[in-house]
Amino acid sequence: GAGVSQSPRYKVAKRGQDVALRCDPISGHVSLFWYQQALGQGPEFLTYFQNEAQLDKSGLPSDRFFAERPEGSVSTLKIQRTQQEDSAVYLCASSSPADTQYFGPGTRLTVL
Amino acid sequence: QKEVEQDPGPLSVPEGAIVSLNCTYSNSAFQYFMWYRQYSRKGPELLMYTYSSGNKEDGRFTAQVDKSSKYISLFIRDSQPSDSATYLCASRAPTDSWGKLQFGAGTQVVVTP
Repeated sequence: GAGVSQSPRYKVAKRGQDVALRCDPISGHVSLFWYQQALGQGPEFLTYFQNEAQLDKSGLPSDRFFAERPEGSVSTLKIQRTQQEDSAVYLCASSSPADTQYFGPGTRLTVL
Repeated sequence: QKEVEQDPGPLSVPEGAIVSLNCTYSNSAFQYFMWYRQYSRKGPELLMYTYSSGNKEDGRFTAQVDKSSKYISLFIRDSQPSDSATYLCASRAPTDSWGKLQFGAGTQVVVTP
């Protein structure tokens, strides 16, 4: 079956632009997670959804970062007024409750 | 200071050798320990999952957790060139969200034919 998919795979933005990153989880997975992975580092937790409810957003680095999952399936991570330090790979993962997380391939964001 | 520390490598070994990887952690509340493998330009995939202390074996992979010394290990026997990847350790406390994993920086492993 299909895994977690993310789009776009690569995104180049000029500093100050807004970007939107999409995640399509595995069908039926109620839990969805976003991570940020800087070059040469491990993933850093950003936020967690169970269905459409955002249960934990403690990892979002600033109020420029916003995530939503309005119908409990597809999720969008939005970054407003991008900065160079936002350059990273953004990973999405999904799982059944309290089960293994399956990661997507990530979106590589480069802010110039 | 990160809660999970991991030597970034690279670690280069000849094919057939044992690969030994380790992490240390500082949060004594961590109870869940995982090892992920990440190929270049791919997402991490779960290799091993351990709850609390002890050993777990799965094929060529063995994971060990020593909570008294806050030390996590992964051993790969009979290493193959296809094992060349970055290996990430991760931990979680019971009080954290299920997905709020704390990852190490990852160790790059190169298995040479």
